[in-house]
Amino acid sequence: AQKITQTQPGMFVQEKEAVTLDCTYDTSDQSYGLFWYKQPSSGEMIFLIYQGSYDEQNATEGRYSLNFQKARKSANLVISASQLGDSAMYFCAMRDTSGYSTLTFGKGTMLLVSP
Amino acid sequence: SAVISQKPSRDICQRGTSLTIQCQVDSQVTMMFWYRQQPGQSLTLIATANQGSEATYESGFVIDKFPISRPNLTFSTLTVSNMSPEDSSIYLCSAADRADSPLHFGNGTRLTVT
Repeated sequence: AQKITQTQPGMFVQEKEAVTLDCTYDTSDQSYGLFWYKQPSSGEMIFLIYQGSYDEQNATEGRYSLNFQKARKSANLVISASQLGDSAMYFCAMRDTSGYSTLTFGKGTMLLVSP
Repeated sequence: SAVISQKPSRDICQRGTSLTIQCQVDSQVTMMFWYRQQPGQSLTLIATANQGSEATYESGFVIDKFPISRPNLTFSTLTVSNMSPEDSSIYLCSAADRADSPLHFGNGTRLTVT
């Protein structure tokens, strides 16, 4: 069974600083995908970034980058130049490899950005 | 990427009643799913909505409690039946174009059962 672990219940960062949100995973599959989602207080789930297990380079999307360390089974999200609007819950997720695109989610990390 | 509209966005319901949540995608998608997020918790998959056939439910979820319809490739509904306060959650519809594409979500339905 797949498992996602996010060990940081909450993180604080000052505006304009970088922050790393941790995610480790456990799977016996060779082919898998890792995702990060942002959930503001409004409740919507916003897709941020994706990393495939066979991708050799770390994924980047604007201020978001994914620090993928396959041997350590970690997929940490790095947010550069934090903004007040980044305050939200962040979820790491792994795709089931059955081909039906279902996701297993971690418990999430609440990020608070202060002025 | 697909744009997913979900309604209602929130509702307050009395125990014993049922609520049907609608999910509309702006393009045809292969896969649609329903998730539940209980207060302060992560997301849990309820079921995969299959077009033209019965939904595939995850362990702990049954059709009598969460009947799902998917009449075509752009629309699905989830009904929460015979509600109790324990059903108070955010219910999220999601969709993906292909098995290897990101899963996108609707804005969610925040349900409170009194």
